[in-house]
Amino acid sequence: DTGVSQNPRHKITKRGQNVTFRCDPISEHNRLYWYRQTLGQGPEFLTYFQNEAQLEKSRLLSDRFSAERPKGSFSTLEIQRTEQGDSAMYLCASSFGTGDQPQHFGDGTRLSIL
Amino acid sequence: GESVGLHLPTLSVQEGDNSIINCAYSNSASDYFIWYKQESGKGPQFIIDIRSNMDKRQGQRVTVLLNKTVKHLSLQIAATQPGDSAVYFCAEKGYKLSFGAGTTVTVRA
Repeated sequence: DTGVSQNPRHKITKRGQNVTFRCDPISEHNRLYWYRQTLGQGPEFLTYFQNEAQLEKSRLLSDRFSAERPKGSFSTLEIQRTEQGDSAMYLCASSFGTGDQPQHFGDGTRLSIL
Repeated sequence: GESVGLHLPTLSVQEGDNSIINCAYSNSASDYFIWYKQESGKGPQFIIDIRSNMDKRQGQRVTVLLNKTVKHLSLQIAATQPGDSAVYFCAEKGYKLSFGAGTTVTVRA
């Protein structure tokens, strides 16, 4: 399968714990995006990378959130000191090029905070 | 606020009929739109895109129409099948996609 891969698919953790998610984009895609989706809503943009550079961060991305893409390939999204409101589906997408191109999504990591 | 929005949150369609899902946008400068399909437990799946220099684009069983005058686009699905049951989103721009709330399509056998 050459699509976008996300791990883990599900994460259950207690409030206050740190969690890290991984995204492996489609191999030739230079852009990588993170979105958050809550029940009944469309995905909301969090941040994106072009190669290893993080070019934009949404105001939704509080100081507890950090994303990296150290070698311009896979990316990690870490949430520190998780809160109830962090419960959501975290989606990763990737695209090729620098212009308007369709983003291809992974199946997400569903985070549940106890 | 939301810059794209779908007209109806739900749509029930008889199998074999055509489906039409509508979406409105507010930014007249928007020049690129994408339709996604999201099945339960999965990420959004790219269906078709259209740029503002086009009025219509066709794919396999799907057609997207863009009316820039009224800032409206629609997704038409021909001969709707049970596998078309999903939530459909329209989104604008190529990066930092802005999604509407989605239309849930249910196909009746």
